Amino acid sequence: LAKTTQPISMDSYEGQEVNITCSHNNIATNDYITWYQQFPSQGPRFIIQGYKTKVTNEVASLFIPADRKSSTLSLPRVSLSDTAVYYCLVGDYGNNRLAFGKGNQVVVIP
Amino acid sequence: GAVVSQHPSWVICKSGTSVKIECRSLDFQATTMFWYRQFPKQSLMLMATSNEGSKATYEQGVEKDKFLINHASLTLSTLTVTSAHPEDSSFYICSAPRLAESYEQYFGPGTRLTVT
Repeated sequence: LAKTTQPISMDSYEGQEVNITCSHNNIATNDYITWYQQFPSQGPRFIIQGYKTKVTNEVASLFIPADRKSSTLSLPRVSLSDTAVYYCLVGDYGNNRLAFGKGNQVVVIP
Repeated sequence: GAVVSQHPSWVICKSGTSVKIECRSLDFQATTMFWYRQFPKQSLMLMATSNEGSKATYEQGVEKDKFLINHASLTLSTLTVTSAHPEDSSFYICSAPRLAESYEQYFGPGTRLTVT
């Protein structure tokens, strides 16, 4: 499974757009990029998944450059409830074994 | 939507006893489920893959005789921590893929195990 690298933590003010980056230099051709959110003492929650370019859903956007060696999760107009750890994972559809990295602790400040 | 539940949500047990944790998929069938362990301020660590009707597959370094996994039906997997010790105290989380081949998984709410 390709390894991912994320900043350990970041702060953002309420109402701002937050961009969370992830590096995955060894991503394979068949790998997809998936992001999860985890609140304290809860199981992770799926946010978004993509393969290339841009993917958008009701909660976030995922930007993937052409070389796919990195990705950026964009959260529009964050609120205090978006304070959580965000995990970026890389793998192929046939492999359900998720390898979580250290994640990025995002703290939203009033 | 699909939901995965866990029971109990927390448990306290004495050292040397065994504890069983249940993971259920509530409105979908899961031939495969996964068990994770998470220590405070750390990431999730995959422990094992639970396979319906067959033996579980354990990750390297996880003792299969200590962490017994049974996947007796398409909606239930259990993790039994045998002869628990204080170092087994952790947050145990299960998950199940939404589709047979999908990177999108539904996670249970987790079980907080404290061994005294």
